[in-house]
Amino acid sequence: NAGVMQNPRHLVRRRGQEARLRCSPMKGHSHVYWYRQLPEEGLKFMVYLQKENIIDESGMPKERFSAEFPKEGPSILRIQQVVRGDSAAYFCASSPPNRGDTEAFFGQGTRLTVV
Amino acid sequence: AQKITQTQPGMFVQEKEAVTLDCTYDTSDPSYGLFWYKQPSSGEMIFLIYQGSYDQQNATEGRYSLNFQKARKSANLVISASQLGDSAMYFCAMREGMDSSYKLIFGSGTRLLVRP
Repeated sequence: NAGVMQNPRHLVRRRGQEARLRCSPMKGHSHVYWYRQLPEEGLKFMVYLQKENIIDESGMPKERFSAEFPKEGPSILRIQQVVRGDSAAYFCASSPPNRGDTEAFFGQGTRLTVV
Repeated sequence: AQKITQTQPGMFVQEKEAVTLDCTYDTSDPSYGLFWYKQPSSGEMIFLIYQGSYDQQNATEGRYSLNFQKARKSANLVISASQLGDSAMYFCAMREGMDSSYKLIFGSGTRLLVRP
């Protein structure tokens, strides 16, 4: 049973380019969460998605950031016109529905570097 | 307001000794969950242990135990018989409510270094 898969593991973008981060949840998991970790800090919640629905995007920056989780395929976190401050590790987690008493499973993260 | 506080930026422990990593939290929700994750230098987030607010007993998982003191709002992680491989960042996190959402609030972490 494969875990949460994120790709790419490392991504380098120049300022102004777009970054696309992919997350495939564990088999049977229909809930996906994106977190951002700035250097030397804890993870910060960004967005919570279910298939074809954004449930909670209270942690998403208002501009340039968007997320989707289509009916087929991975969840995508998209950052348009990247700036140096977007450099961070982006983690995806997934969980099964209707289980409030267990952990969410994290992917290995995508480390975005904006040059 | 910061809801998860880890007051120890860095800790040292001698190999084979026990160590306690502190975590305090703040919430007005009677239902919540507390998590500890380990982040080694390779960067992945490894789940260690979970404690629900209504759990009567402290959670244990192998060498990890959670010292849950509800009245004090603390959820300290105890690692027994430290190993060199325990050197890592450790994060405490909280989920408010007991629905299926995993919107976690993380602390700033504690860097643990195990000395041989």
